[in-house]
Parts: sequence; C-alpha cells; structure tokens
Amino acid sequence: SQKIEQNSEALNIQEGKTATLTCNYTNYSPAYLQWYRQDPGRGPVFLLLIRENEKEKRKERLKVTFDTTLKQSLFHITASQPADSATYLCALVHNAGNMLTFGGGTRLMVKP
Amino acid sequence: GAVVSQHPSRVICKSGTSVKIECRSLDFQATTMFWYRQFPKQSLMLMATSNEGSKATYEQGVEKDKFLINHASLTLSTLTVTSAHPEDSSFYICSASSSSSGNTIYFGEGSWLTVV
Repeated sequence: SQKIEQNSEALNIQEGKTATLTCNYTNYSPAYLQWYRQDPGRGPVFLLLIRENEKEKRKERLKVTFDTTLKQSLFHITASQPADSATYLCALVHNAGNMLTFGGGTRLMVKP
Repeated sequence: GAVVSQHPSRVICKSGTSVKIECRSLDFQATTMFWYRQFPKQSLMLMATSNEGSKATYEQGVEKDKFLINHASLTLSTLTVTSAHPEDSSFYICSASSSSSGNTIYFGEGSWLTVV
C-alpha cells in the first residue's frame, strides 16, 4: 500500500541547532515533493518544492534533499529559532493534476 | 502574491442542518481546487478535487451526496456539508494552484466547523 511517513510525532531541539525532519514514502513515484509549515488552527504555508531530478534545494535557512532511490526527503532548518516551532508537513505530487498527498507531519519545538 | 481565502473561518451549526464553506482565489484563476479535512493532531486528508465547470472527483470513502462541491467559476469553489452531524466537526481547508506560479499550491486559512 502507499505510505508517506514522517519521523516521530514531535521533535524537540535547542535554539541554534539544526533541525532535521524526515519524509519517507513507499509505492509512490512522485513528480515532485513539497514541504509545508502549519501553525495550530491555520492552513499550511508552502515552503519549498523539489523535483524528482533535483538532489537539493535551499531557501535561506531551509534545505531540502530528495533521494528517489531511498524514497526519502530530508528537511533541514539551520540556526533554528523558537519562531520555527510549528508542524511541518511533506506532501507528494504524483500526477499532473497538482493533487497532494500529505504525510502525518512532524511537530517541531525549538527551545530557547 | 497569490492568496486563497476561505469563508467563514469558524461556523457552528445545529445537527441536521447544512453549511456552506467558500474558497476563493483572490488574484489568480484556479481551474482546480482541492478540499481537505483535518481532524485534531492529524494530517490533511484529501476529500475531493474540484474542477471548474465539471463535477468534482471524490476520494474513496467521501460521500459525494453529503459533501457537495460546486466550482462555478475560476475563482470560487464551495463545499456544502449537508445534514451535518457532530462527527463532521473538523477543520476544512481548500487549496488552489495557479499556472502562472508553476506548481506552487496555495492554501486557504481553513474553516472550523462545529456541529452541535
């Protein structure tokens, strides 16, 4: 069956450290993968998109990698800040219609 | 940038009544919009794909007669929860994409539905 799994429900790290979140998928051949941030009671906010033929994408303190052999994407936040505390969702797009399938999300807590 | 607006942001309705949620793309045309439902501490689950001018495509297990979707224009899709029950209480979120922004998908702020 198709699955998208994100590491641990919650991740606690100290301010200034690098947070690394994992997204693993099975039985998908995604055209591309996206990462979103969601704050409690709000809609998801788009962060980064990485295509199947791209290995790495960066945006300010964010970095995403995509390994289609391992069927895994890693999402890194460097120099993390308490304001980065949120739930981070990975989502796969596996057809041309922009239909997203979401992972369960990882709740990140950055402690000062 | 592109913005997707949902209305209402919160609604409380009585069991057995119907409630309509609107999703608008404010500064772009969206031929396709998506409706999701999210229960507390769970991820977003796709309910249906809304296509302008045609019938919506529902995901398995989603009752099309209960969750009516109308995508009457390129900037508006509506979700009507008919004969609502307490178990329909959830956070409903829509998304839309613009061809002008590539594959970026924009989400609305969501609508909290409470059925009492």
